[in-house]
This record gives sequence, C-alpha cells and structure tokens, in this order.
Amino acid sequence: AQRVTQPEKLLSVFKGAPVELKCNYSYSGSPELFWYVQYSRQRLQLLLRHISRESIKGFTADLNKGETSFHLKKPFAQEEDSAMYYCALSGRDFNKFYFGSGTKLNVKP
Amino acid sequence: EADIYQTPRYLVIGTGKKITLECSQTMGHDKMYWYQQDPGMELHLIHYSYGVNSTEKGDLSSESTVSRIRTEHFPLTLESARPSHTSQYLCASSDPQGGSYEQYFGPGTRLTVT
Repeated sequence: AQRVTQPEKLLSVFKGAPVELKCNYSYSGSPELFWYVQYSRQRLQLLLRHISRESIKGFTADLNKGETSFHLKKPFAQEEDSAMYYCALSGRDFNKFYFGSGTKLNVKP
Repeated sequence: EADIYQTPRYLVIGTGKKITLECSQTMGHDKMYWYQQDPGMELHLIHYSYGVNSTEKGDLSSESTVSRIRTEHFPLTLESARPSHTSQYLCASSDPQGGSYEQYFGPGTRLTVT
C-alpha cells in the first residue's frame, strides 16, 4: 500500500543550524516525490520535486530508493523557514497524491 | 489572476443539514482534487476528477459526493452532515498534461458539525 511517513511532528532548531526533515515512503512502482510547504496563514504550496534536482530556498532533497527515503535538508536554517512541511508522492501519471502527516519546523533566533 | 477559490472558508452547521463546499479554479486545469485533513494528520484524498463528467473516489472512504459539470467548478456535497465530518477540506488542481505536475491548493474550508 502507498504510504508516506514523516516521523517527526515537530522539529526545533536554532538559526544557522542544519536541518533535516525525514520522509520515508512505500510505493509499488516508481514514485514521484515532492515536498510541500505551508507558511503561517498561507496555502499549501510546492517546495521542490525530486526529479528537478534543484535547490529551492536553500533546501535540497535526495531520493534514496534503497532506503525508500526522501529527506529534506538545509545546511543553515533561517527564521523564515519556520513552517509546516509535507512530503508527498504520486505515480508517474500524477493522478493520485499521497501526503505525510507533516513536520512543523520551528527555527529559533 | 489565475487562482483557486474555496467558499466558505469556515462553516459551523448542525447535524443533518445538507452542505455544499464550493471550489473553483481559473487556471484552466483539467485535474481537480478534494482532500480531507484532520489536525496533525495526513491529507487524505477523498475525490478527484480528470475533467468534465469524470469523478473518482479517493483512497479514504467519504460520504460526500462531487460533480464536475464545468472545468472550473468542482463542488463537494454532504447530504446529511454529522459531527464525524468535522475537518478541514482542501481543494487542489493540476495540469500534468500541460507540463505542470504541481498541485495548486485553495485556502481550505474548515467545517464544524455540531
């Protein structure tokens, strides 16, 4: 069965510290992986997609098929990174999406 | 401006009432989705549509129904609301055929059934 697991509900770090938000998945096939972010009082929006291999706002995520993980990383957290982060996956057809329960990142000054 | 809209944003209603949550998008997207999210939990897909006159149920069983008579409109209806329907409902759209795999989300409707 398709499933996305984000083991941490809350992650608190100090400004300038490295951040890693964990995401593990199970999927029968070749998944597409995404990270979505929701800032306070804003809508859920796409942060990055694994196939793009790009850095968005300093965040990167590597798909590890062997460990079925897609952790989100940033070397130096900023206060404006404080938000809810959701890991999501879909099939290659992008017909259905599966979301994790989210991790709240709190970056302290 | 191209956007996705949901109304109402908040709704408190009594048990047994019929309600319709509205979702409209001006992006010209073919695919639309409804998600249900309880606090601190995953977004669960409850309905999706590939286009006009196409609707499918998601993996989470829901007593709600949807319709897609127009490309831009994807309303969700509960014939008889119950307290177990209390949740946040998020509408989204995408256009993978047009090269946009990204899901664009509306602001959500927070429903409370008393």
